[in-house]
Amino acid sequence: GAGVSQTPSNKVTEKGKYVELRCDPISGHTALYWYRQSLGQGPEFLIYFQGTGAADDSGLPNDRFFAVRPEGSVSTLKIQRTERGDSAVYLCASGPGGTDTQYFGPGTRLTVL
Amino acid sequence: GENVEQHPSTLSVQEGDSAVIKCTYSDSASNYFPWYKQELGKRPQLIIDIRSNVGEKKDQRIAVTLNKTAKHFSLHITETQPEDSAVYFCAASDNTGTASKLTFGTGTRLQVTL
Repeated sequence: GAGVSQTPSNKVTEKGKYVELRCDPISGHTALYWYRQSLGQGPEFLIYFQGTGAADDSGLPNDRFFAVRPEGSVSTLKIQRTERGDSAVYLCASGPGGTDTQYFGPGTRLTVL
Repeated sequence: GENVEQHPSTLSVQEGDSAVIKCTYSDSASNYFPWYKQELGKRPQLIIDIRSNVGEKKDQRIAVTLNKTAKHFSLHITETQPEDSAVYFCAASDNTGTASKLTFGTGTRLQVTL
């Protein structure tokens, strides 16, 4: 079946702008995760949803970042007042829930100029 | 919180040789240990995982071992092929039933030479 998809694949924005990144999980997966990966590093956890609710948002770096998953499927990561340090690949993963297994999407490469 | 260390950062082997990548973790409550392969510009791909109730798991040329007492786990790739060249990440998680975020190592760049 279809894997995790993310749009856009690339996003270039200017400092101070607002961006939205979208994740479509594998159909039927109840768990959805957002990670951020900087060059040469492993993915770093941001937030985890079980269904519609954020079960753990301890990885969000500050209040400029928030994410929603209103219907328990698609999720949007929203970044306000972007800064150059936000530049990274934002990865989404989904899992069947009840287990830890996570399957990643291709990521959105965010560049803040 | 959990801290995962991974070694080596780069590894070069000749085709047909074996490759071993090692990780240690700090949180004794961690109970799930996946390995991901990431090719340049691509998504991390789950290649094998192990849970804390077993000490070893094998899938064709890939095996993972876990030592809970020492808090370390390793990835073994036998009969390496050029297509095994990629960055490999280990990770650990503590599935408490309410959160199962993964904490990743810093990656190992594996180069398989002809």
